[in-house]
Amino acid sequence: DSGVTQTPKHLITATGQRVTLRCSPRSGDLSVYWYQQSLDQGLQFLIQYYNGEERAKGNILERFSAQQFPDLHSELNLSSLELGDSALYFCASSQSTGFGTEAFFGQGTRLTVV
Amino acid sequence: GQQLNQSPQSMFIQEGEDVSMNCTSSSIFNTWLWYKQDPGEGPVLLIALYKAGELTSNGRLTAQFGITRKDSFLNISASIPSDVGIYFCAGHSGLQGAQKLVFGQGTRLTINP
Repeated sequence: DSGVTQTPKHLITATGQRVTLRCSPRSGDLSVYWYQQSLDQGLQFLIQYYNGEERAKGNILERFSAQQFPDLHSELNLSSLELGDSALYFCASSQSTGFGTEAFFGQGTRLTVV
Repeated sequence: GQQLNQSPQSMFIQEGEDVSMNCTSSSIFNTWLWYKQDPGEGPVLLIALYKAGELTSNGRLTAQFGITRKDSFLNISASIPSDVGIYFCAGHSGLQGAQKLVFGQGTRLTINP
């Protein structure tokens, strides 16, 4: 158990809908990363938050947004969903954004858009 | 954007064989991390490397941070069936406070008993 909790584990929704994925980082970790993994693909970095502030952005679509709350949990919002958004979405957390930082992953949320 | 080139993409080996995979980049990385992912699960951290030239072991796994800071390799000795999975390298880059963790495309390891 990595200590990173993601909910829900599975999500099935229709095209055009909006969903929210939730991540609770490990105790004491200030930094949260979101990744998308399509079938048999690598991990695509979406966005990183550190102590409530956006710190780095990857290939995140405009239809997607995220935030990190004062209690450090984070939510990833996906709207106007398309079939191609079906993927595993992972959250990772680390203590800081500093050098030499290890990141630990949650179990992921499997999103299926039908 | 930054990319990590991980090779090989897949490996098919016999149980007991040694395995070697590597990652290269055109950019310098400050930290190299190696992860293993089982199907439907999140990646699990295997080894973290912090200094150029560093060689670190974790049981049958050994990884090195390249001297140029642009590459890293992971070796698995005497492979066993539970080593099956996808191995990812990852690197931290960027300025302090604005770092990204970039992943390679993964090496899928299959072991024939």
